[in-house]
Amino acid sequence: AQSVTQLDSHVSVSEGTPVLLRCNYSSSYSPSLFWYVQHPNKGLQLLLKYTSAATLVKGINGFEAEFKKSETSFHLTKPSAHMSDAAEYFCVVSDIVRIQGAQKLVFGQGTRLTINP
Amino acid sequence: GAGVSQSPRYKVTKRGQDVALRCDPISGHVSLYWYRQALGQGPEFLTYFNYEAQQDKSGLPNDRFSAERPEGSISTLTIQRTEQRDSAMYRCASSLGQGNEKLFFGSGTQLSVL
Repeated sequence: AQSVTQLDSHVSVSEGTPVLLRCNYSSSYSPSLFWYVQHPNKGLQLLLKYTSAATLVKGINGFEAEFKKSETSFHLTKPSAHMSDAAEYFCVVSDIVRIQGAQKLVFGQGTRLTINP
Repeated sequence: GAGVSQSPRYKVTKRGQDVALRCDPISGHVSLYWYRQALGQGPEFLTYFNYEAQQDKSGLPNDRFSAERPEGSISTLTIQRTEQRDSAMYRCASSLGQGNEKLFFGSGTQLSVL
């Protein structure tokens, strides 16, 4: 079974400094990997996805993630944090089982990002 | 509507009561998913529909949980004889299907069983 591990439950950075949210995955196949963001009282929003094309994936709001097969990692980064980035972030792998186009997402436990002014 | 709509936003019920949670997906979306998110955890897959057909219900925890999507649009997740351990955020998501991988999530229904 595929799984993801988010290495930090909480990350706190100052506004304007870099953000690093760490994620390691376990998969027997070439996985599809995603980062989702969850703002308070809102639905989950897709930040970016990796599907075996370029290993460096650019997403919305200045976020990007790099797929490193040798390290089984898919860390999320942003050069300069903004107050509006404060949210819960989930690393996600898509289960290999496909039934007529279905995809079963396997979520990590989440990392809460706090931005200090 | 513009996004996935779930109702009610909050549901408080007494143990032993039945509850029905509603999901209205984005118009034209073929695929519909239900996920459950416990406090401090990531969402966990419950069940999946392709049009009106329930293709996968492997994530439903027990037979008190059921879901339907009779006309291939709105879906209802029903929990019978609720227990305190059922308290969680229940999230619905939809997608275009046919291998399209972008899921759009609703804001969820927060269920509290007293």
